[in-house]
Amino acid sequence: AQTVTQSQPEMSVQEAETVTLSCTYDTSESNYYLFWYKQPPSRQMILVIRQEAYKQQNATENRFSVNFQKAAKSFSLKISDSQLGDTAMYFCAFMKISGGGADGLTFGKGTHLIIQP
Amino acid sequence: DVKVTQSSRYLVKRTGEKVFLECVQDMDHENMFWYRQDPGLGLRLIYFSYDVKMKEKGDIPEGYSVSREKKERFSLILESASTNQTSMYLCASSAPGTSRPYEQYFGPGTRLTVT
Repeated sequence: AQTVTQSQPEMSVQEAETVTLSCTYDTSESNYYLFWYKQPPSRQMILVIRQEAYKQQNATENRFSVNFQKAAKSFSLKISDSQLGDTAMYFCAFMKISGGGADGLTFGKGTHLIIQP
Repeated sequence: DVKVTQSSRYLVKRTGEKVFLECVQDMDHENMFWYRQDPGLGLRLIYFSYDVKMKEKGDIPEGYSVSREKKERFSLILESASTNQTSMYLCASSAPGTSRPYEQYFGPGTRLTVT
């Protein structure tokens, strides 16, 4: 079984600042994906960014980027030029890839990110 | 855009009642999932399904069952609701054969209260 740990229950930064959310995971699997999901207040969960374990290059999506350290089993999310709309719960998630298709996600407990004006 | 809908946003049930939570997706996705979300615990996988009539237990299946009679619909069943099943329930779907094979699309959630 795998576990995902997010050590920051809540973070608060000023608008336009850069913020990094931490995530570590534990697994014996070699083939897997890592994700960051965002859940805005009273709105649906949406995917922010995805990283394939076999790729060494860190994923980037506009203002969002990850620092994937496979040996250390670390997967942090960096948000640059933070905006008020980034206020949300952020979940780190792990998915092992099995031969028959995808399994479910294993989530961390989440980080509540507040962007202050 | 993929749309995942859930039959109710809010639901209040009595202890011992049989409860059905319905989820429908409109993109012909093979995989469907049920999670429950509790403060301080994140999301935990209850059941998932690879195809019609197929189901697999997740991490916390006790007290729940599922049904998938049609590809687009995945139902979560609480045979005899208990107060410890008060939670937010999220449905998701994904399609292995697409350009984003492992991305899960989530519904808006059903907040279930069992009294």
